[in-house]
Amino acid sequence: NAGVTQTPKFQVLKTGQSMTLQCAQDMNHEYMSWYRQDPGMGLRLIHYSVGAGITDQGEVPNGYNVSRSTTEDFPLRLLSAAPSQTSVYFCASRKGARNEQFFGPGTRLTVL
Amino acid sequence: GENVEQHPSTLSVQEGDSAVIKCTYSDSASNYFPWYKQELGKRPQLIIDIRSNVGEKKDQRIAVTLNKTAKHFSLHITETQPEDSAVYFCAATPSNTDKLIFGTGTRLQVFP
Repeated sequence: NAGVTQTPKFQVLKTGQSMTLQCAQDMNHEYMSWYRQDPGMGLRLIHYSVGAGITDQGEVPNGYNVSRSTTEDFPLRLLSAAPSQTSVYFCASRKGARNEQFFGPGTRLTVL
Repeated sequence: GENVEQHPSTLSVQEGDSAVIKCTYSDSASNYFPWYKQELGKRPQLIIDIRSNVGEKKDQRIAVTLNKTAKHFSLHITETQPEDSAVYFCAATPSNTDKLIFGTGTRLQVFP
């Protein structure tokens, strides 16, 4: 099993550009989430999904869109990148709400 | 929504000493409390978790205690070793949502 995979590992964008961060898991987990990690701010929940076709907002959803068309994939879209979105982004998955959550390796995004 | 506060933000101990990290949560409906360890440049990984029907859980040198009345839970590491140096995150999930909300993290340094 590859676990949770994310692409790309690193990305540099200019303000106003759009892009999609990819996330996939091969553990047949229903729950998937996106977090951003900033110094001193911990891991903040952006969006999450409890199954294919179901998504909901987390703590900091503005500027990001998600969709969940399959159990395996949960892409995160930045519609118009801003410098405030410079961060490390982690995708995560778990079997149920009270099960161990597995994180991907992260994507380091810089917006100039 | 749920709010998780974590203290201290940094903690330095001598090898062999104990370390304690404390978290408080706001939503009395929370019933799942995991702890994650993140080594430098790596992804967070689960080290121990506790559910609200349990007051204490131990795994070798690591223990977690939960006080539901006071809405706080703590991570205890005994006989610390240099390899315990990392950032530790607490988290909570309310029973009426599927969100896993994290604290802001504690950077633990263990000096030989």
